[in-house]
Amino acid sequence: DSGVTQTPKHLITATGQRVTLRCSPRSGDLSVYWYQQSLDQGLQFLIQYYNGEERAKGNILERFSAQQFPDLHSELNLSSLELGDSALYFCASSVAGTSNTEAFFGQGTRLTVV
Amino acid sequence: AQSVTQPDIHITVSEGASLELRCNYSYGATPYLFWYVQSPGQGLQLLLKYFSGDTLVQGIKGFEAEFKRSQSSFNLRKPSVHWSDAAEYFCAVGARQAGTALIFGKGTTLSVSS
Repeated sequence: DSGVTQTPKHLITATGQRVTLRCSPRSGDLSVYWYQQSLDQGLQFLIQYYNGEERAKGNILERFSAQQFPDLHSELNLSSLELGDSALYFCASSVAGTSNTEAFFGQGTRLTVV
Repeated sequence: AQSVTQPDIHITVSEGASLELRCNYSYGATPYLFWYVQSPGQGLQLLLKYFSGDTLVQGIKGFEAEFKRSQSSFNLRKPSVHWSDAAEYFCAVGARQAGTALIFGKGTTLSVSS
C-alpha cells in the first residue's frame, strides 16, 4: 500500500459527460501529480500541484482541469468526454515540489467512455 | 525538456536467467533516474533510484541499475529472474528544477517462461 488513495477505482460513463476523479496523497506529501496511461501513449504527465498551487503542466487537454484543496487532496475534472479519453488515470504524491524525489502512486482510476 | 526511451517493448526471459532492461534518457542537466514496476491492475512501485554518487544502485527485489553518463543510459538488471517478476517496467527521469515533472518511458513488458 503506497498510502495514496484514488477513488473511484472504476468509472463508466457516456460521451459528452463530465466526471471527477479524486486523489488523497500520502500523509505529509505536499505535491500531487496526475498521469494518464493508455496503450498507445504510455504514461503521460498531465499536471502537478504543490501545496495548493499549480506547479507544472504537461499534455493536459483544455477539457480537463484539476485543483488541490487546502487539505491537500486533489481532483481531476474531465469534461465533454470522448471515446479516446478512456484510460487509466494515476495520481502520485511526493513530499517535494520537484521531480527529483520519489513519487508514490495510487492504484489508479480506470475510466471507460462508451 | 527531459525524455526517456525504452527500446524494448516486450522481452521474454526464462526463469532463472539474467535480465537487462534498457533505458536511455535525454536531459541537459543532472538527471534523477528511477525505475518503477507495474504489476497487472496495480499502481507503480519504485524499484530503485539514482541521484548521485555510486553509479551502480541497488533496489528492492534483487534489482540493480547502472548509470552511465557517457551513454545517457540507466539499464536495469537482475541476475536471476523469478516468475513473479513478470510485469511492466518503466524508466523515468526527474529534475531538481521546479516546474519539471517525472517523465516516463513507454515501458517494457517482461514475460517469464518456465
